[in-house]
Amino acid sequence: DAKTTQPNSMESNEEEPVHLPCNHSTISGTDYIHWYRQLPSQGPEYVIHGLTSNVNNRMASLAIAEDRKSSTLILHRATLRDAAVYYCILRDGWGGSQGNLIFGKGTKLSVKP
Amino acid sequence: NAGVTQTPKFQVLKTGQSMTLQCAQDMNHEYMSWYRQDPGMGLRLIHYSVGAGITDQGEVPNGYNVSRSTTEDFPLRLLSAAPSQTSVYFCASVAGFLTGEQYFGPGTRLTVT
Repeated sequence: DAKTTQPNSMESNEEEPVHLPCNHSTISGTDYIHWYRQLPSQGPEYVIHGLTSNVNNRMASLAIAEDRKSSTLILHRATLRDAAVYYCILRDGWGGSQGNLIFGKGTKLSVKP
Repeated sequence: NAGVTQTPKFQVLKTGQSMTLQCAQDMNHEYMSWYRQDPGMGLRLIHYSVGAGITDQGEVPNGYNVSRSTTEDFPLRLLSAAPSQTSVYFCASVAGFLTGEQYFGPGTRLTVT
């Protein structure tokens, strides 16, 4: 699986939008972009994923660059409960080990009241 | 629907002892996996299974055994515990190969003295 690059940490104010960037310059055509988050002392939680088009769900939006070399996770209104480590992960949709996720260190998001 | 459950939540072992970490899911997912997370790090894949009777190694398999006799259960065995295996262990199951949405258990915190 291709590697991703994320900032180590980011800060946000409560009720403001948050844009979490991810660079994946070596992404292949069959790689899906996944985002997970891990709240303190919990297991990771699925947030969103996409291939080429922007995606929205109840938790967040995923904006994917046209060349797919970068993406941005958007939390529209940050709450204190969104404070977590956010992982951007590429996963090959056609590989034999299809379920495997390769986690980096992620971005630690702090939310200030 | 309990999702992914793990037992025990905490465990302390002495060097050389063996034990089994239990993982069960009630979502009828074929794909399950085990990860470990060391302090300040992302998750690393230990072993995974694409269905009952089929297992394979991940990134860090040494010192661990797995078997998959049923769809629901995927136990992880530590053969002879070492201090380097002190970590938090997460079990996960995958909803679908193309979506790759993984559901994680709450984790087992293991300390080896």
